[in-house]
Amino acid sequence: EPEVTQTPSHQVTQMGQEVILRCVPISNHLYFYWYRQILGQKVEFLVSFYNNEISEKSEIFDDQFSVERPDGSNFTLKIRSTKLEDSAMYFCASVGEYEQYFGPGTRLTVT
Amino acid sequence: QQQVKQSPQSLIVQKGGISIINCAYENTAFDYFPWYQQFPGKGPALLIAIRPDVSEKKEGRFTISFNKSAKQFSLHIMDSQPGDSATYFCAASKNQGAQKLVFGQGTRLTINP
Repeated sequence: EPEVTQTPSHQVTQMGQEVILRCVPISNHLYFYWYRQILGQKVEFLVSFYNNEISEKSEIFDDQFSVERPDGSNFTLKIRSTKLEDSAMYFCASVGEYEQYFGPGTRLTVT
Repeated sequence: QQQVKQSPQSLIVQKGGISIINCAYENTAFDYFPWYQQFPGKGPALLIAIRPDVSEKKEGRFTISFNKSAKQFSLHIMDSQPGDSATYFCAASKNQGAQKLVFGQGTRLTINP
């Protein structure tokens, strides 16, 4: 069964450093999302991406964040200068006919 | 108006019992209501979903009940098993799921053997 994959599973970085989180969505899906989940809290929407451009973004998704689909398969989330409060699980999701399928997540720890 | 409110925050049920988790929404533009199951350290996994044109959907031991007039929906887990112990999130979306999911706060379900 096709699945969304994410790398790395865990990233530790120092405050102020740039990180890139990678996702490989399910191959025939066209809509892609990033969500984040701070430990013990609900899953929050960050950004949606369709046809090689951002279709919607949340208040959380400020100028420090960017997304890219550099090739036909990968979908990346970049945080330019990480802050302590960026520590969270980051999930990529892609949409089939109706359902959003989530990857296993990347745990980002900012020290 | 974008919020989805979920209750209870935590729930303990005996093995074989019925687990019930409730959600309420405000935005009448929502037209897709999925439930996700999340185990520690894993991503949310789609469990079951419903659209507002039906009042109930059943898949195995899992049933969603939907009350459009009350803007409420609930997940029922029949014959609950220890393997069902997880965090459950309700969510809502517009455009039949093609737009962002708005999640509830989550319910930590524990099934005692």
